[in-house]
Parts: sequence; structure tokens; C-alpha cells
Amino acid sequence: DGGITQSPKYLFRKEGQNVTLSCEQNLNHDAMYWYRQDPGQGLRLIYYSQIVNDFQKGDIAEGYSVSREKKESFPLTVTSAQKNPTAFYLCASSGGTSGRSYEQYFGPGTRLTVT
Amino acid sequence: RKEVEQDPGPFNVPEGATVAFNCTYSNSASQSFFWYRQDCRKEPKLLMSVYSSGNEDGRFTAQLNRASQYISLLIRDSKLSDSATYLCVVNMDNQGGKLIFGQGTELSVKP
Repeated sequence: DGGITQSPKYLFRKEGQNVTLSCEQNLNHDAMYWYRQDPGQGLRLIYYSQIVNDFQKGDIAEGYSVSREKKESFPLTVTSAQKNPTAFYLCASSGGTSGRSYEQYFGPGTRLTVT
Repeated sequence: RKEVEQDPGPFNVPEGATVAFNCTYSNSASQSFFWYRQDCRKEPKLLMSVYSSGNEDGRFTAQLNRASQYISLLIRDSKLSDSATYLCVVNMDNQGGKLIFGQGTELSVKP
């Protein structure tokens, strides 16, 4: 089955701890994205990567870091510098056939709660 | 002005009704448009892509008016299972694959 997986589904951490969220895809997509969604709000872009070993900041990158060492994987680290880390984190990928390369497909998400 | 704006919700409609969602976007350079569906506490799922003036898939019709910078989604013969939040999404080709998401419109279909 082709798709995007995120783990874990739920994650609980104490304030001041860094935490890494996993995102893996086997769709052979070049581009991967991380979004954050807060209750009643739209998706906001944290980081994105259009090719291996390269990534760009999105609209709310402060307090987050990423790496893209493999095409299939794009982990997100939520650092202790992120002021309000509790949120629903969604990973997506895109890069299908020409004309549909901008369609993004999402993983099931990780709900992070920091107390 | 927000880059992508949608009708405020929620929309509460009876089964079988026809419902239309509207969306406007601010950047005339936008080239690709999408409607996603998001169920409560789940990830968004691609419902329709709109690459020309419109697209139809069964009970769902999306229309694009580039002159007015306006996209719509029409759902005919609403089902209980259509209850979800519908996200209007826009891509600007000059920013690679970045998508701009509207805040979503909630639909509740009642028996």
C-alpha cells in the first residue's frame, strides 16, 4: 500500500523537552511538507522540502527544525523554543505526474500535547 | 485581506439538499486550485482538483472564475456522510508547491 505514515498518533511531553515527529512516504514524491493545525483554524506551513538535502522555512518555522536526508523521510523536531507546541501536526507530500504535481496528500497526523 | 477566504460556517442542511461553498483568493498569479475535505480530528483528503474552468465528479461540481478570483464547490443531493469541513486551497506556481489553505467551512447534513 502506498501512502504517508506519521507516528505516533498521540504524543505527550513535558515543557522544555525537544520532541521529534516522524513522517515517512512510499509514494516516490519529491516534495514533503509539515503543517500545524490549531483548533478551529486552518493549516499553517512550518517547513517544506522540494528535494533531498534541501528545505525551506514556511510561515511559522520558529521553534522547529527539520532534516531531509532521504527522499522517503522528513522528520520534524519541536524544540523547547516553540512557545505553544500543543497542536495537530500534519505531514504531506506531493510530486505526482505532470499536471498533478501540486496535489498534496496527507498523513494521519500526530496530536502533540505539551504540559 | 487573507490570501484565501471562505464562507463562514457552519452550514446546516437537510439530507438531499444542494449546498454551495464560495471561496475567493487574492493573488491573481494563482494557477492551481483544490477542494479538500477534513473530517473531525482527521487529516485533510483531496476531494477535487480544478485546473481549468471547472470540474465535476458525481454529486460534486467545482467552478473557477479567474476574472473574479473566485472558486465554488456545489454538492447536490447531500448525504449524511458529506458532513465535514471543506477546505479551499490555492497554489501559486511562482512559489513551487506551496499551498495556501482557507480556514474551512463546516457542513452538517441532518436527517
